[in-house]
Amino acid sequence: DAKTTQPTSMDCAEGRAANLPCNHSTISGNEYVYWYRQIHSQGPQYIIHGLKNNETNEMASLIITEDRKSSTLILPHATLRDTAVYYCIVRPYSGAGSYQLTFGKGTKLSVIP
Amino acid sequence: AAGVIQSPRHLIKEKRETATLKCYPIPRHDTVYWYQQGPGQDPQFLISFYEKMQSDKGSIPDRFSAQQFSDYHSELNMSSLELGDSALYFCASSPHRGPDTEAFFGQGTRLTVV
Repeated sequence: DAKTTQPTSMDCAEGRAANLPCNHSTISGNEYVYWYRQIHSQGPQYIIHGLKNNETNEMASLIITEDRKSSTLILPHATLRDTAVYYCIVRPYSGAGSYQLTFGKGTKLSVIP
Repeated sequence: AAGVIQSPRHLIKEKRETATLKCYPIPRHDTVYWYQQGPGQDPQFLISFYEKMQSDKGSIPDRFSAQQFSDYHSELNMSSLELGDSALYFCASSPHRGPDTEAFFGQGTRLTVV
């Protein structure tokens, strides 16, 4: 029973911002939103996470809607090395399930030269 | 910076054999996770450990067992191997600051069952 919904694939021109949406309409109050990416058969790589406030780090920005039912990952200046499958994951901060990341069907982002 | 170390990187076994995969977490990380990723599939959570105790359990077959040792490294033991067990197996580790933290993944062990 998927807790997140993401587009199957997206294209982005190199140098432009990549905006990856995620729907998590059934998110609970104790669940964080995490983003990971996987570049062709490598180990998944952490990008960013948040609870309800927008977050920014050196890799990306995470925008979470006020009702927390959706979020958008923003890669500000996409490069060819950002081509990967991006996973949006919700994870409780305590109790059962807090020690696992459940990967659903992510978004295959292709950055085009 | 030190990363999660998995060994071996590649392993070929025959059906019905056993296999042991090892994971060495980042120093001072006390939580370990195991994932299985079949060809063309997304990573599937198998099991996790915190402070040598099992914490969450996912879709791990009964033929598989895992444990975390006193030095925090972990081993995934797989018996009666089947062709369908052929997959990438990832281990991840995180420091225990609660779920408000990130998990770092190793490069994986590619298991091929023939």
